[in-house]
Amino acid sequence: GQSLEQPSEVTAVEGAIVQINCTYQTSGFYGLSWYQQHDGGAPTFLSYNALDGLEETGRFSSFLSRSDSYGYLLLQELQMKDSASYFCAGLDSNYQLIWGAGTKLIIKP
Amino acid sequence: DAEITQSPRHKITETGRQVTLACHQTWNHNNMFWYRQDLGHGLRLIHYSYGVQDTNKGEVSDGYSVSRSNTEDLPLTLESAASSQTSVYFCASSESSDHEQYFGPGTRLTVT
Repeated sequence: GQSLEQPSEVTAVEGAIVQINCTYQTSGFYGLSWYQQHDGGAPTFLSYNALDGLEETGRFSSFLSRSDSYGYLLLQELQMKDSASYFCAGLDSNYQLIWGAGTKLIIKP
Repeated sequence: DAEITQSPRHKITETGRQVTLACHQTWNHNNMFWYRQDLGHGLRLIHYSYGVQDTNKGEVSDGYSVSRSNTEDLPLTLESAASSQTSVYFCASSESSDHEQYFGPGTRLTVT
């Protein structure tokens, strides 16, 4: 089957850099998306990697390595408002998103 | 501004009752999706539609149905609500790329 693994929780300090990893077990995804979800809110799209390498969008960057079945989301200059859950989701051969269980990011002042 | 709305935002119902959750989007997107989200899990796909009169089953479709009679709406029906269907339900839409979806605010459903 297809599954994506993420750490359940990550803690970081305001102003620092944090990396949230995502590994997947599947015959292959077309690409990897990242979403942010604040408590009680809806998921919001952050980034998508269709190709191997790094995609940068402001303070957020996302990386994909297909050969390693691995990706990560990098958040720089952490702000308290970045406290949220972050989900990786793989686009499968049916063009459906398969979601990881999410990583809760806790930011300390 | 374009948006996607869900109603009701909260619903309590009894086991065995039929329940319909509404989803309305003004993005004019062809693609619409229904997910459920349970604690400790990511989102799981229930049903999806790529256009009017098109509906498809997702990973966890048993006990649910959808219909697409126009571009804007994709109502989700629970035929006979079960306690296992207590969850938060999210509707989403996308223009053409399934990897970038826009989500509604969610409906918290409790089946007692």
